[in-house]
Amino acid sequence: SQQGEEDPQALSIQEGENATMNCSYKTSINNLQWYRQNSGRGLVHLILIRSNEREKHSGRLRVTLDTSKKSSSLLITASRAADTASYFCATDEGTGGYQKVTFGIGTKLQVIP
Amino acid sequence: NAGVTQTPKFRVLKTGQSMTLLCAQDMNHEYMYWYRQDPGMGLRLIHYSVGEGTTAKGEVPDGYNVSRLKKQNFLLGLESAAPSQTSVYFCASRKREGPYNEQFFGPGTRLTVL
Repeated sequence: SQQGEEDPQALSIQEGENATMNCSYKTSINNLQWYRQNSGRGLVHLILIRSNEREKHSGRLRVTLDTSKKSSSLLITASRAADTASYFCATDEGTGGYQKVTFGIGTKLQVIP
Repeated sequence: NAGVTQTPKFRVLKTGQSMTLLCAQDMNHEYMYWYRQDPGMGLRLIHYSVGEGTTAKGEVPDGYNVSRLKKQNFLLGLESAAPSQTSVYFCASRKREGPYNEQFFGPGTRLTVL
């Protein structure tokens, strides 16, 4: 079963515009992570936000987390063609020795030059 | 550091054949994972390992076996391949300490079962 569900599933924008992707989840989490996947490649970690944090920034990335609504958003500002990729949220919900990380199905972002 | 590497990158099998996918990491990570990625399904966890000599089932373990004889290696085996196992397989690893550690992914193995 998929814990995280990204919305939209596909997004096409012009270079320079902002891109916003949303992730909803069902259960309590320790943290939520966003990953990027370029076509034909493995996933690359972008940013992690803990359950007690509401907002986090990293360069052109801004992530918010609303645990009351069980949702998160990833904002990419001033998008570039190189940002074209699929973006996945991953919820970390385990305790003890193993943290169960569940990935969503992803948002496919296309940035048009 | 090479990070996480996977061998092979591509493979075509016939139904019923067997094969082993190799994952290696040079970051001294305790935890290692095998995922499969299918269109519209995201990543699904097949098996994982929290340390040398230990493995556990994930979300979709049927038809797969794993072994972690050395800390740096995690092997995924298909004993009798089926067309439903056509997928892209990713290995990942992470440190054990703390609940806030990212997973590092390999480049993937694209497997086709005819």
